[in-house]
Amino acid sequence: GQNIDQPTEMTATEGAIVQINCTYQTSGFNGLFWYQQHAGEAPTFLSYNVLDGLEEKGRFSSFLSRSKGYSYLLLKELQMKDSASYLCAVLDSNYQLIWGAGTKLIIKP
Amino acid sequence: SQTIHQWPATLVQPVGSPLSLECTVEGTSNPNLYWYRQAAGRGLQLLFYSVGIGQISSEVPQNLSASRPQDRQFILSSKKLLLSDSGFYLCAWTQDITGANVLTFGAGSRLTVL
Repeated sequence: GQNIDQPTEMTATEGAIVQINCTYQTSGFNGLFWYQQHAGEAPTFLSYNVLDGLEEKGRFSSFLSRSKGYSYLLLKELQMKDSASYLCAVLDSNYQLIWGAGTKLIIKP
Repeated sequence: SQTIHQWPATLVQPVGSPLSLECTVEGTSNPNLYWYRQAAGRGLQLLFYSVGIGQISSEVPQNLSASRPQDRQFILSSKKLLLSDSGFYLCAWTQDITGANVLTFGAGSRLTVL
């Protein structure tokens, strides 16, 4: 079966750095997405990785290791507005998106 | 620019009543359209997707159905709602199913079945 694992919940302090991990086992791989979802709202796109390495976009970076079936989302200089759920999703060999359950990130002052 | 509209935003329905959620996309043609459901604390579950008018693929057998009467319109329906149909329903679109084509979601419809 296909599976994506990410921690259920994480807590971090305003101004700090947090790393949200995602491991996957899927039928093939055509890319990995990270989405942000604030409570009661729709997910919004953060990043896409298809090759190994780090992609940086402002305060957010995303890393991928295809050989390890592993990705992480790194958030720097945390702000209160970063409190949200972060969803990891993998595009499999049939171009179907497989979603993780999401990681709820709580930012404390 | 492209926009996606989804309505209603919130609805409370009794068990056994019908359901109709509507989604429209503006600013593009021949989009790929999706209906997802998100239960509390769980990942997004793909319900239906459509690559063109009248073309519907169902991912999960259940009492829900979908239709695409026009190129940019996608409708989710049920004849008789169950308690288990409660959840957050999201419509989404993408131009191409391959590669880095990002899913863009509507604002969502929160359904409570009592």
